[in-house]
Amino acid sequence: AQSVTQPDIHITVSEGASLELRCNYSYGATPYLFWYVQSPGQGLQLLLKYFSGDTLVQGIKGFEAEFKRSQSSFNLRKPSVHWSDAAEYFCAVGAGSPHAGNMLTFGGGTRLMVKP
Amino acid sequence: DAGITQSPRHKVTETGTPVTLRCHQTENHRYMYWYRQDPGHGLRLIHYSYGVKDTDKGEVSDGYSVSRSKTEDFLLTLESATSSQTSVYFCAISQQSSGNQPQHFGDGTRLSIL
Repeated sequence: AQSVTQPDIHITVSEGASLELRCNYSYGATPYLFWYVQSPGQGLQLLLKYFSGDTLVQGIKGFEAEFKRSQSSFNLRKPSVHWSDAAEYFCAVGAGSPHAGNMLTFGGGTRLMVKP
Repeated sequence: DAGITQSPRHKVTETGTPVTLRCHQTENHRYMYWYRQDPGHGLRLIHYSYGVKDTDKGEVSDGYSVSRSKTEDFLLTLESATSSQTSVYFCAISQQSSGNQPQHFGDGTRLSIL
């Protein structure tokens, strides 16, 4: 069974500083990996996804993530954080099937706070 | 944004009462999902649907039932609500079965059971 671990429950960074959110997954085959962001009171918005090809993927809002198979990781990064990036971030791994569609397993989330 | 509407957005009810949450989509996507979100647990799958009248259980299905009589509507029912079902509930949709297809989420329903 697949699983996702986000080791950091809370992270605080200063505005303008760089950011890295960690995600480790467990999956038997080539994983389909996703990062979502959730602002307070909102649903989840897709930031980026990886399923093949270049291991560095670009997403919306200036985020990128790097897939490292040897480390079973898919860490999310941003070179310069803005106050509007304060939110909760979820990593997920997908497993597609005709019966269930793309079944996602989510990590527990990382709450990002941004200091002025 | 994907056309997903959840109703109601907020609900407060008492233990033992039945509750139905509705998810309505305008995207004609085949797959629909219900999740609950609780602190420290991320999102956990309750039930999903792979077509009209075709549903199956997820990780935390006890105490919940679902129905899908039309492509666009997926209902989640708590037959007799308990305080442990206080949570934020999200509906999601997906178009295809392949693993690279993201799910798109509604804005959630905050349910409080007193």
